[in-house]
Amino acid sequence: DTAVSQTPKYLVTQMGNDKSIKCEQNLGHDTMYWYKQDSKKFLKIMFSYNNKELIINETVPNRFSPKSPDKAHLNLHINSLELGDSAVYFCASSQERGHTDTQYFGPGTRLTVL
Amino acid sequence: AQSVAQPEDQVNVAEGNPLTVKCTYSVSGNPYLFWYVQYPNRGLQFLLKYITGDNLVKGSYGFEAEFNKSQTSFHLKKPSALVSDSALYFCAVRSYNYNKFYFGSGTKLNVKP
Repeated sequence: DTAVSQTPKYLVTQMGNDKSIKCEQNLGHDTMYWYKQDSKKFLKIMFSYNNKELIINETVPNRFSPKSPDKAHLNLHINSLELGDSAVYFCASSQERGHTDTQYFGPGTRLTVL
Repeated sequence: AQSVAQPEDQVNVAEGNPLTVKCTYSVSGNPYLFWYVQYPNRGLQFLLKYITGDNLVKGSYGFEAEFNKSQTSFHLKKPSALVSDSALYFCAVRSYNYNKFYFGSGTKLNVKP
């Protein structure tokens, strides 16, 4: 019954490695997002996709590449991981393109880069 | 530019007392305002939102928020706090470019027995 799910929940890896985080939503929503929450709990949007189309691409290093194979999935691939990438990454989804939408968040993926 | 400010990093309140978590916003056009709660090691959960209409919005778990246009505020309130309300609370505003949320820095609410 999980609405927005992410895998893995925890990810520990070495600097320089490439890793992926997967997100799936079963709410039938059109729009999905990736957020980064730093150690001070500050939450910042990274990407947004609507029906597999990229619509928000914030100032994020090119090492981060989102991929949306269908509107229920939005995966995040990170190349050449750096220490500063350590954070909690949240996936979210919302119903439609509109001002009133509520976003539903996944449980988060805690990435630790050593 | 759109932004949200939560002036308090932490709010401490005794169980049974009323609580207020403050939020002010800056937005172009009509504001669409949200409150989310984050429990430890969990994702954000939606509490309530203001879109239009009555300035007092009621949400989950007995929380409510009051939209004040003249003060550009959207403070979260609850008449009687519970220990289980202890969590991190985020205020957010939806931008005119409607797919982007701007979140405040979060306020940690501590409710003591």
